[in-house]
Amino acid sequence: KAGVTQTPRYLIKTRGQQVTLSCSPISGHRSVSWYQQTPGQGLQFLFEYFSETQRNKGNFPGRFSGRQFSNSRSEMNVSTLELGDSALYLCASSLGSRSYNEQFFGPGTRLTVL
Amino acid sequence: AQSVTQPDIHITVSEGASLELRCNYSYGATPYLFWYVQSPGQGLQLLLKYFSGDTLVQGIKGFEAEFKRSQSSFNLRKPSVHWSDAAEYFCAVGETLDAGNMLTFGGGTRLMVKP
Repeated sequence: KAGVTQTPRYLIKTRGQQVTLSCSPISGHRSVSWYQQTPGQGLQFLFEYFSETQRNKGNFPGRFSGRQFSNSRSEMNVSTLELGDSALYLCASSLGSRSYNEQFFGPGTRLTVL
Repeated sequence: AQSVTQPDIHITVSEGASLELRCNYSYGATPYLFWYVQSPGQGLQLLLKYFSGDTLVQGIKGFEAEFKRSQSSFNLRKPSVHWSDAAEYFCAVGETLDAGNMLTFGGGTRLMVKP
């Protein structure tokens, strides 16, 4: 079974631009979560999507948004990029049932904002 | 709110020596606990997990961890470290929120292995 895939793997953008990252979950998984990893703040939860609906959201500004499609693929968008948005963005998928489900992580997208 | 503390930012051990990475958590209910490993430029790989039952859990690559409720700890151990174990290790607590899942991570421990 294929793992979680994320595209692109690397991105370079300039301040003020916007960016869209993509995540394809493991087949059969209906939940997709996004995490931001930076040297200063560590790993932080951004949001979770299940059945095309945002189920949980972390403490990030509204510039960070996401969506999920009917095939469970998810995208996250960051608008008006700031230097501090430079990070590794990790996507994780899980079955998504009501009890806690193990999350499987993709390789991440490395975003650099200049 | 839940929190996870990994007191050691860096640890250096000699190859073949034993290893223990510390993790303390703060969570009201019985926690779902995880250890992940991350090699440079890579995503997170699950080493082991604790959901319930036996408090000593075995994972991949020869790792084990022990859940101690009285100490709010979930320390990771390996009896003999290999050079390929050099990586960053993250302890995490899983929480079910509004029927969703969320992981709260510790700050990580970077492991270096001396030949």
